[in-house]
This record gives sequence, structure tokens and C-alpha cells, in this order.
Amino acid sequence: ETGVTQTPRHLVMGMTNKKSLKCEQHLGHNAMYWYKQSAKKPLELMFVYSLEERVENNSVPSRFSPECPNSSHLFLHLHTLQPEDSALYLCASSQGTAQETQYFGPGTRLLVL
Amino acid sequence: SQKIEQNSEALNIQEGKTATLTCNYTNYSPAYLQWYRQDPGRGPVFLLLIRENEKEKRKERLKVTFDTTLKQSLFHITASQPADSATYLCALAVTSGTYKYIFGTGTRLKVLA
Repeated sequence: ETGVTQTPRHLVMGMTNKKSLKCEQHLGHNAMYWYKQSAKKPLELMFVYSLEERVENNSVPSRFSPECPNSSHLFLHLHTLQPEDSALYLCASSQGTAQETQYFGPGTRLLVL
Repeated sequence: SQKIEQNSEALNIQEGKTATLTCNYTNYSPAYLQWYRQDPGRGPVFLLLIRENEKEKRKERLKVTFDTTLKQSLFHITASQPADSATYLCALAVTSGTYKYIFGTGTRLKVLA
């Protein structure tokens, strides 16, 4: 175990649903990340939070809304998604945004119907 | 355009042999480069980091080289074992205020018993 947990592990949702992905890290880190991993594509960085403040938003559509209530928790709120949003969503944390090693959670496998 | 290329085809090797994976990049000037391992249904796990001023790094049976002139990193697993079978990702760290990690698509390695 890497010390980063994600729930749920699997999620199926319709295009009109609203759901949230949750990430929790038990490592005392200050930076947290959301990545999207689609089949045969590289990991795409979506959002970066440092000390609960969003420091990077990689042109992600507004149907994805991140929330970082404290340095241990990170959420990704989903609404009116498209089928092409189906992917593995990975959360990661690091000591700081200048630290080299990222610790990844197991991911949430999302299917949008 | 900027891109990272890893062997897109799966790599099959016999147990005991040395596996060599490549990571080529263009139009980046990374501060350092990382290699991760990813098993099916799991998030990536950090293996090794090599900085731009380092030529080689070793950790147990793993060795990474970094040639900033060729813009290439090689990842070697010596005395490979079936348990080494996984997808291996390279990631460049580039600076844009904070560190930003750019991932390759990964190479799937299968070690045959």
C-alpha cells in the first residue's frame, strides 16, 4: 500500500448523474494531484493542489470540479460527463510540489454511459 | 511539438535475461526523469529518479541511464523474473513554477518463465 486511498474503486454513471471521487492520503504530504489515464494514452495531469490551494488546472472541462478541504483529502466532483470521460482517475500526493516522488492511489475506474 | 515516446509494443523476454526499455523525448529540457511501475488495476509506483547531471543510477537489479544529448533514457532490469512483468512508465519533470510531470504511454513487459 502506498498510503493513498481512493473510493470508489469502480463507478458507472449516466451522463446526467452527479458523483464524486474521493482521495485520502495518510503520508502527511502537502501536495495532491488528479490524473486521468485513458487506454493507450499517457497519464494526463488534471489538477494540482498545494496546501489546499489549487496551483494548476490543465485546461480541464468545467464538468470536472476539484475540492481540497484539507491537505489529506481531495475530491473530484463529476457532473454531466461524456462517454469519452471514461478512464482511470488517479490521485497522487507528494511532500510538496517541488518534491520528486509522487505516491499514487489505486485509482477509480469510471465508465460513463 | 513536445512528446515522449516509449516502446509502444509489448516486450517479451526470457526469465534471467536483461530487459531494456527506452524512453525518448523531444523539445523538453527536463530537470530530471523518473521511472514508475504500474500493475493492472493499480496506480503507478515510483522506482528510480535520475537528474539531468547524472549519467546512471542503480537500485538493486534496476539501472537507469540518462543521455540529455540524445534525449533518451534507458531502463534496465537484470536477471529478470516473471514478477517483473508490468507496465513501466517514464516521466519527465519540467519546471513551470512548480514541477510538472509529463508521462509516456508506458511499455508492457512480460517475463516468460
